[in-house]
Amino acid sequence: RKEVEQDPGPFNVPEGATVAFNCTYSNSASQSFFWYRQDCRKEPKLLMSVYSSGNEDGRFTAQLNRASQYISLLIRDSKLSDSATYLCVVNERGFQKLVFGTGTRLLVSP
Amino acid sequence: EADIYQTPRYLVIGTGKKITLECSQTMGHDKMYWYQQDPGMELHLIHYSYGVNSTEKGDLSSESTVSRIRTEHFPLTLESARPSHTSQYLCASSPSGQVYHEQFFGPGTRLTVL
Repeated sequence: RKEVEQDPGPFNVPEGATVAFNCTYSNSASQSFFWYRQDCRKEPKLLMSVYSSGNEDGRFTAQLNRASQYISLLIRDSKLSDSATYLCVVNERGFQKLVFGTGTRLLVSP
Repeated sequence: EADIYQTPRYLVIGTGKKITLECSQTMGHDKMYWYQQDPGMELHLIHYSYGVNSTEKGDLSSESTVSRIRTEHFPLTLESARPSHTSQYLCASSPSGQVYHEQFFGPGTRLTVL
């Protein structure tokens, strides 16, 4: 079983739609959680950190459910520029390393 | 924008050549990382460093080696390049601290071995 699992997609949505991605992680001792965005043939960039209380940044909302060991990302009012791969990222217990999911690809169409 | 740089950005080279991929950061970060990523695939950690003179192998076995003589510099070397080494190589860094921080990525080096 992979440490971080995501649905690879692609998710095809029209502009203005709301879309949600989920991610599950296997290590219950993980302490830090992130969503990264990666555009085609570019480097990953941090989209947002994920906190237990949930956090929101504009159209983006991230939630953490420790009991069920999953993380979610909600994107409201999708824009064409949101088209990218969204990586779920979790730190590895005891080490200063991050474990990256395979990513979920989002395609927003006009 | 993160202050982490990689050179070259693109490299096409013949089999058997020795190559060094450069990575530098000006943020004073102690931790640095090398990832390998094939198109459309996930990132795989191949090397990391906690600071000067510290290097560790990552989760994916790699024939490459790294060194960390200066905080800001973390080069990756392939002694004899092979076509199987064709991939994108991404360098990243993060600050130290008890709370785990995000990693900042360089733009990557796209390596093609003929």
